[in-house]
Amino acid sequence: DSGVTQTPKHLITATGQRVTLRCSPRSGDLSVYWYQQSLDQGLQFLIQYYNGEERAKGNILERFSAQQFPDLHSELNLSSLELGDSALYFCASSPSWISGNTIYFGEGSWLTVV
Amino acid sequence: AQSVTQPDIHITVSEGASLELRCNYSYGATPYLFWYVQSPGQGLQLLLKYFSGDTLVQGIKGFEAEFKRSQSSFNLRKPSVHWSDAAEYFCAVGAPRNYGQNFVFGPGTRLSVLP
Repeated sequence: DSGVTQTPKHLITATGQRVTLRCSPRSGDLSVYWYQQSLDQGLQFLIQYYNGEERAKGNILERFSAQQFPDLHSELNLSSLELGDSALYFCASSPSWISGNTIYFGEGSWLTVV
Repeated sequence: AQSVTQPDIHITVSEGASLELRCNYSYGATPYLFWYVQSPGQGLQLLLKYFSGDTLVQGIKGFEAEFKRSQSSFNLRKPSVHWSDAAEYFCAVGAPRNYGQNFVFGPGTRLSVLP
């Protein structure tokens, strides 16, 4: 158990809909990362937050957004969903934004868009 | 920006055989290097990491990796593979003092183990 908690574990929704994925980082970790893992794209970095502020942005679509709340939990919002958004979404956390801190992954949220 | 390649998409070994998974990185300085393992339906678990010092790093589950600066490599090894090692293995590189994206993952190598 990495200490990173993600909900829901599985989610099935229709195209055009909107979903929210939730992440609770490890106790004491200030930095949260979101990754998307799909068969054709591999593990793609989406976005990183540190103590409530966006720190880095990767290949995140404009239809997707994220935020980190004062209690440090984070949410990833996916809207206008398309079939291609079906993937495993990981949240990870680390103590700070500094490279060298190991990042710890949750077990992921499986999103299926039908 | 840093990048990572894992030349082998899929490797099959027999149980008890030795294993080496290749990882090559591109970065202008000495990076931080990591190996993660992902079992089916699971998240990524850290196997080991290299920051500095001894270039041979020991990890969990009997794995080790060797950092070779001259070859820009960080290959993962295990002397005797167990059936439970079948999984996807990811090499990752972190850029020290990088204010942007900290981690870049390789495409992964899927390991199958024959009984």
